[in-house]
Amino acid sequence: TQLLEQSPQFLSIQEGENLTVYCNSSSVFSSLQWYRQEPGEGPVLLVTVVTGGEVKKLKRLTFQFGDARKDSSLHITAAQPGDTGLYLCAGTLPNDYKLSFGAGTTVTVRA
Amino acid sequence: DTGVSQDPRHKITKRGQNVTFRCDPISEHNRLYWYRQTLGQGPEFLTYFQNEAQLEKSRLLSDRFSAERPKGSFSTLEIQRTEQGDSAMYLCASSLGQGDDYTFGSGTRLTVV
Repeated sequence: TQLLEQSPQFLSIQEGENLTVYCNSSSVFSSLQWYRQEPGEGPVLLVTVVTGGEVKKLKRLTFQFGDARKDSSLHITAAQPGDTGLYLCAGTLPNDYKLSFGAGTTVTVRA
Repeated sequence: DTGVSQDPRHKITKRGQNVTFRCDPISEHNRLYWYRQTLGQGPEFLTYFQNEAQLEKSRLLSDRFSAERPKGSFSTLEIQRTEQGDSAMYLCASSLGQGDDYTFGSGTRLTVV
């Protein structure tokens, strides 16, 4: 049983469109992270959110941590082909140190 | 420091053979983690070291798997008597301390034929 459920599993959009990826859990996390992973490479950290209700922006990417610290979303505005990749959410439970990952969302942005 | 290094990047082995992977973390990071990732899934935790001490092992880590981190620097992950189900990407990550961000290596892709 996975602690973090990501949806959708796959997403294919046209360049210039917007997209949102969701990460949900029944557990409360002390922090949550979003990673992007390209084929044959390790995950690369995009952002860490720690406060319930927190919103962070990274250029065209907006990350939100739910008020109850159980869910998060990643929104990409005006997607570009370079945004193509596997997006993973990962969280740390209170009093724990290891990351638990969701299964990921594969995003394909068509030129 | 160029980040977390893993070697080899790819390994193809015959079923029943032993394999060993190496991970060199960022030098000042005292925490080191091994994860396994299969196709279509997120990484799954295998084991964790704080300096040279192995503090936790997942139930995923069967008796055929062993990990070491001598002197608290690099780490090795050995799989004995490999099985086809061991085929996966093995990822290493390091962090400075609890709550600090992880840095992942590029992984070792294992294929057991």
